[in-house]
Amino acid sequence: QTVVTQEPSFSVSPGGTVTLTCGLSSGSVSTTSYPSWYQQTPGQAPRTLIYNTTTRSSGVPDRFSGSILGNKAALTITGAQSDDDCDYYCVLYMGNGIYDFGKGTKVTVL
Amino acid sequence: QVQLQESGPGLVKPSETLSLTCTVSGGSFNNFYWAWIRQPPGKGLEYIGYIYYTGSTNSNPSLKSRVTLSVDTSKNQFSLRLRSVTAADTAIYYCARFVYYSFGYWGQGILVTVSS
Repeated sequence: QTVVTQEPSFSVSPGGTVTLTCGLSSGSVSTTSYPSWYQQTPGQAPRTLIYNTTTRSSGVPDRFSGSILGNKAALTITGAQSDDDCDYYCVLYMGNGIYDFGKGTKVTVL
Repeated sequence: QVQLQESGPGLVKPSETLSLTCTVSGGSFNNFYWAWIRQPPGKGLEYIGYIYYTGSTNSNPSLKSRVTLSVDTSKNQFSLRLRSVTAADTAIYYCARFVYYSFGYWGQGILVTVSS
């Protein structure tokens, strides 16, 4: 069974840039995977950052950007801030009406 | 601003049925898809399923045999029923608007514990 893969954790300095990826254990991610990205702080509901690979959700700062890098979807945070210290999840459309979340990446800003 | 609010029992006994409702306010209900997602304590998110306002549905294959989704357009509500629950179904359950292959507006979530 193909699963969605994400890095377990990443560390970034304040003001720095970090790129998180979202891949498949078997196969490649493309725009037809319709990758989306979600930010979740402890005790809160997730917040949508990016959908349809590159589209920022309303109110999301432009320091968050989505793309396809090689065979994975990517979320880049440019100019990281302390508020960005939280968990990030991606979702991929697997085909046949199936959607799957990655296990999430814990981003630490320090 | 679209708002979603989950409601239902916070405690369900093993082997019984979990029933939750999501009420949508502040925006159009018709012409949208509406979804359920859950998150076990301390773990990641899991897609449960979505329902169109007309009643057509899609569910995660791993849960499909136990899941029933329904909609009440007169009340701007949609509901989840999960049968034969076990401790593994203990989670925060979120409702969300599903649009363009993604989950947009989210409810605040409701913790449901499965325990006798």
